[in-house]
Order: sequence, then structure tokens, then C-alpha cells
Amino acid sequence: GEDVEQSLFLSVREGDSSVINCTYTDSSSTYLYWYKQEPGAGLQLLTYIFSNMDMKQDQRLTVLLNKKDKHLSLRIADTQTGDSAIYFCAARGAGGFKTIFGAGTRLFVKA
Amino acid sequence: GAGVSQSPSNKVTEKGKDVELRCDPISGHTALYWYRQRLGQGLEFLIYFQGNSAPDKSGLPSDRFSAERTGESVSTLTIQRTQQEDSAVYLCASSLVSDFHLAKNIQYFGAGTRLSVL
Repeated sequence: GEDVEQSLFLSVREGDSSVINCTYTDSSSTYLYWYKQEPGAGLQLLTYIFSNMDMKQDQRLTVLLNKKDKHLSLRIADTQTGDSAIYFCAARGAGGFKTIFGAGTRLFVKA
Repeated sequence: GAGVSQSPSNKVTEKGKDVELRCDPISGHTALYWYRQRLGQGLEFLIYFQGNSAPDKSGLPSDRFSAERTGESVSTLTIQRTQQEDSAVYLCASSLVSDFHLAKNIQYFGAGTRLSVL
């Protein structure tokens, strides 16, 4: 079945850019999502990209999609301490409701 | 309320006891999901409800797990004869069916119930 993988930890300095990477296995995945989870809270959607797009930018967030390599990345510009959280990559196939989530990348931002 | 509400936020139980977890979805959201999140792992799909359709139970790990939903509102996830490996955070999410049909299917999550089985 579909598998979504991402690295578990990333540490950056405040003001630097953060890049969180994700790979997925199902080439028919049509929607790819990035969710953010802060301590003690549920997941919150940050952004999503449709599979016919290469890039999507939303303020400090840039999503890049390489459909050939089934690779997704999330870039956070000018990372702030408030960006410290767990970031989940998720993929959903066409016509279905099931969304497969990665294990999450814990982002540490050092002041 | 404005968001997905789950209760209790924390539950500690003894091995072998039954537990019931509750989820109140966002009003008007016809789709409801349960996930399990083990420490350091991703979200594991458990079950999906959509309106009056038969739920998709394909993710339930054993017959000790069951879930119900009353119409398009509250859902309860029941775990019978709990085992230590059931310890995890159980997350509920809801989404708009119209959103689903538009293929975005943005899910809105509750804060979860942290279950600890001693």
C-alpha cells in the first residue's frame, strides 16, 4: 500500500530557512498535504498541492513537488521559534478518502 | 464549538479494561475519521464514517476495536480488553463532504485522547 516517509528531526537557527523532505510511493496520489502539530494539539493543515503542480507558495511557505521522483518538500523561510512543531506530510489518491500520513518531522528552532 | 472536540484528553486504564473515547466533529461535517498515533510514528488510519453510508472499518487492528457514530454528529471509539500495545494518542478528524467531492478533503483534527494502558 501507500507509504509516506520523512526524516524524524530537523534543527535550524532562527532566521534561517527550513526544508522538510518527504517521499511517497503511490504515483497516483493526487493531493499532497503538509500538516503542523504543536504540543498537545491536533494536526492543522498548513498547505496542500495538487499533483499537476510543481510549486506552491504561500507567504513564508513554499511547497515543491517532483512527481517523477515522488518527492515533496516544504520550505519555511525566515524560520521563527514559533515554527517549532512536528510537520506531517500526507498523500491521498484520486477518488478515495484515505489519506496516508508520514511519521512527522520534528522541527527544532534555536534562538 | 468551533473545532473538533475529543474527550477525555487523557485516559489511564488497567490492562483488560474497556475504554470509550468520544469525538464531537465540526457541525455540518459529514465525514469523520479515527486515527491512532503511536509514539514517534505516523497516523494510522482506523475507521471512516461518511453520512449514512456503511463505515470503512478496514483500519481497525482487531475485533477489540469498534466505533459508532450517531447520525452526522458524535462518534465513540471503544477498545475492549485493552492491551499495553493499545497505548497511543487517538485522533479524530472531520471534513466537509462537499470539500471531499471537490477533492481537497481538508481534515480538521481534534487534540486527541492520550491512552495509557498499565
